[in-house]
Amino acid sequence: GAVVSQHPSRVICKSGTSVKIECRSLDFQATTMFWYRQFPKQSLMLMATSNEGSKATYEQGVEKDKFLINHASLTLSTLTVTSAHPEDSSFYICSASGLAGGTNEQFFGPGTRLTVL
Amino acid sequence: AQKITQTQPGMFVQEKEAVTLDCTYDTSDQSYGLFWYKQPSSGEMIFLIYQGSYDEQNATEGRYSLNFQKARKSANLVISASQLGDSAMYFCAMREGHQAGTALIFGKGTTLSVSS
Repeated sequence: GAVVSQHPSRVICKSGTSVKIECRSLDFQATTMFWYRQFPKQSLMLMATSNEGSKATYEQGVEKDKFLINHASLTLSTLTVTSAHPEDSSFYICSASGLAGGTNEQFFGPGTRLTVL
Repeated sequence: AQKITQTQPGMFVQEKEAVTLDCTYDTSDQSYGLFWYKQPSSGEMIFLIYQGSYDEQNATEGRYSLNFQKARKSANLVISASQLGDSAMYFCAMREGHQAGTALIFGKGTTLSVSS
């Protein structure tokens, strides 16, 4: 299957700082990328959908000024958690969709564990 | 109303036994896709199996099979011959429509524990 990477895999930051998480499709062009958030032992909740070159569409209840998403190229999307607080601590997973290996499927990154102190 | 319902928070099975993880879904779309993912403690989402709403045959992938009952809106995952490495969280997910550019909706998951 296609490969999606996320960087960093783990980050610890102080309250009030901003953190950027990168999601890259390594061997295919991702026309759409999705950002999910997962609290321990819970489900994946969709935060936003981004299409290359256009503004992200955020799910209800997700603050777009707090979770800035940029999908500047067909292989890279970034999620910036601005002024992070302890309640933002979570596991953030991206997935990317595009034509990869002849199938138009979605592929998940390995996730980023964010801890805000 | 929940779109994907997984009613089993935890399941326990012995090695080499088969186990069924339940999933029901709710959609008014005629075209949709159903997925199962495995999430070990590392957090990565491992794709297991896919069933399209128009597929007449139940999907199978090695030890995994999907028991698709369209009229009942259920898509249960059957794991045959369980292995210790199958211990993980399992998520059922749905995509409405068949376009990969549509997000997946996940159920709450089932934690499977396999013992020797």
